[in-house]
Amino acid sequence: EPEVTQTPSHQVTQMGQEVILRCVPISNHLYFYWYRQILGQKVEFLVSFYNNEISEKSEIFDDQFSVERPDGSNFTLKIRSTKLEDSAMYFCATLQGYSGNTIYFGEGSWLTVV
Amino acid sequence: GQQLNQSPQSMFIQEGEDVSMNCTSSSIFNTWLWYKQDPGEGPVLLIALYKAGELTSNGRLTAQFGITRKDSFLNISASIPSDVGIYFCAGRDAGGTSYGKLTFGQGTILTVHP
Repeated sequence: EPEVTQTPSHQVTQMGQEVILRCVPISNHLYFYWYRQILGQKVEFLVSFYNNEISEKSEIFDDQFSVERPDGSNFTLKIRSTKLEDSAMYFCATLQGYSGNTIYFGEGSWLTVV
Repeated sequence: GQQLNQSPQSMFIQEGEDVSMNCTSSSIFNTWLWYKQDPGEGPVLLIALYKAGELTSNGRLTAQFGITRKDSFLNISASIPSDVGIYFCAGRDAGGTSYGKLTFGQGTILTVHP
């Protein structure tokens, strides 16, 4: 079974600090996503990324957030200046796109902002 | 934005009982997905439904894509303790740049008593 790998699994950061969450997508997948789940709430879409650019983003994904795939393997989510309300589980997800419709989720990165 | 209403919010059942949960939407989706999430982990796909009216089974799980494309249900038969977890429905928009963007329901917390 192919896997989406995320690091770190858990990070505690001070408010105002920058955080980078990393994802290694499944190797032949073309579409990449970040989702967020605040504790006890539903999973929410943040951003989709295809062909090295953002294809769609939600209202949550404001100027504090950015994504990139700098080396063709890692897909990263950066939060420039973290706020308390950014505390959540962040999931990377990937989709093959041409012959596969299944979206695979990583195990998540738990971010705690203090 | 699109909203999914998932019910019930939680269920407490005895081992061996059948379970049913459903999702409704005010707008149309072209794909319905059902995920299970264990604590501290990412959502794992259980069943994917691609056509209105489709009824699909995966072991003890059965799900249907409503004819109107605005609803779906998931049934679990003869529940066992390892069925415990949070079950999410998710709807996926049509193709184009939104391909793969999922809208999640609020989740159903399932507890199974041995």
